[in-house]
Amino acid sequence: DSGVTQTPKHLITATGQRVTLRCSPRSGDLSVYWYQQSLDQGLQFLIQYYNGEERAKGNILERFSAQQFPDLHSELNLSSLELGDSALYFCASSGTPTIGTGGQWDYGYTFGSGTRLTVV
Amino acid sequence: AQTVTQSQPEMSVQEAETVTLSCTYDTSENNYYLFWYKQPPSRQMILVIRQEAYKQQNATENRFSVNFQKAAKSFSLKISDSQLGDTAMYFCAFMKNLGYSTLTFGKGTMLLVSP
Repeated sequence: DSGVTQTPKHLITATGQRVTLRCSPRSGDLSVYWYQQSLDQGLQFLIQYYNGEERAKGNILERFSAQQFPDLHSELNLSSLELGDSALYFCASSGTPTIGTGGQWDYGYTFGSGTRLTVV
Repeated sequence: AQTVTQSQPEMSVQEAETVTLSCTYDTSENNYYLFWYKQPPSRQMILVIRQEAYKQQNATENRFSVNFQKAAKSFSLKISDSQLGDTAMYFCAFMKNLGYSTLTFGKGTMLLVSP
């Protein structure tokens, strides 16, 4: 268990529908990232939140939106779904870098196990 | 913007042999971080190894080592004594700042280890 929890693990929905993917970051991590992995686009960064505020935006469609709540969990909302939105959606979280026992920086960037979205 | 290129979509190796996966990147940054992630059939993203650009010494983690050539912007992964469990998709990734930064991934290399 990586400490980052994503629900649901699988989701099947029809075109035109709206879904919400949920991510609970590792305890203490303030930053949450969303990535999309599709066959044609590979792994792409969508959006980042830090302590409730949007921090960075990548190749996120206007039909997609996200937010981070006061308890630091995050939700990714996908609307007007199209067949091409079928993908694996990863959430990752990170905290303040710390020095580990070997003297190496632990950047603490941890991925969840993903949500597999299938649009039919 | 940073780009990461993995030119080998698929590679095959036999158990116990050594294989090298290639990665090149493009950036105007001087300090940054490079990673290799493994994605087995379970789809979990697993960190294999990382390299800080300011370190000249190549990183090693047991059977995994990298050849980091900063001037050439090259970052290859060498897997020694390949095992069946190494069969997975391998992604090379770039990060600008440690901690609160996003990852830019290559397209991946599918590695198949056969008996």
